[in-house]
Amino acid sequence: EIVLTQSPGTLSLSPGERATLSCRASQSVSSIYLAWYRQKPGQAPRLLIYGASSRATGIPDRFSGSGSGTDFNLTISRLEPEDFAVYYCQQYGSSLYTFGQGTKLEIK
Amino acid sequence: QVHLQQWGEGLLKPSEALSLTCAVYGGSFSAYYWSWIRQPPGKGLEWIGEVNHVGATNYNPSLKSRVTISVDIFKSQFSLKLTSVTAADTAVYYCARVPSWSNWFDPWGQGTLVTVSS
Repeated sequence: EIVLTQSPGTLSLSPGERATLSCRASQSVSSIYLAWYRQKPGQAPRLLIYGASSRATGIPDRFSGSGSGTDFNLTISRLEPEDFAVYYCQQYGSSLYTFGQGTKLEIK
Repeated sequence: QVHLQQWGEGLLKPSEALSLTCAVYGGSFSAYYWSWIRQPPGKGLEWIGEVNHVGATNYNPSLKSRVTISVDIFKSQFSLKLTSVTAADTAVYYCARVPSWSNWFDPWGQGTLVTVSS
């Protein structure tokens, strides 16, 4: 099973700032199988990025994904109030989907 | 635009069976896999398993012995059954769509809180 480790656990920033979230895999992950989600309190997760770097439908261009192999990043260029939430990375490998433990993005 | 609506029993006693159903409104049913994912209170996400339109399934090995996911293509619905539940199965359960050509979840159902308590 591929384990995804996200860092930091909590990130404190202000609106308008830039956020970079990290997702590290215990073994190499094909980029096409790496996705990112945002989960607001009391809501289901929403797909942001798929294939490591492609934005999902309706996702603004302040969200970008990058990386390959075992190291992937989600960058939010200018934080909006609705971006303060929990973010999860997810991978698929060997017929099993796994998620990272999440990064909480909070208002500083 | 596709919409997933889920329902099921929200309070169970230990050893009972959990049963949830997810209905798919809009879009193709046959071009996708249909998954269940759960999230214990305050914790992260765990994939449970998936089914396609002909009933082919994949399960998380950690739950495989207790899980059955089935499909009713005529109603565009799929269901989750988890047997012998314990307090550790208390979670919000989500249904979600997975395109057959990809491996990500979009969209998700609204979630159902299932509590296991004696």
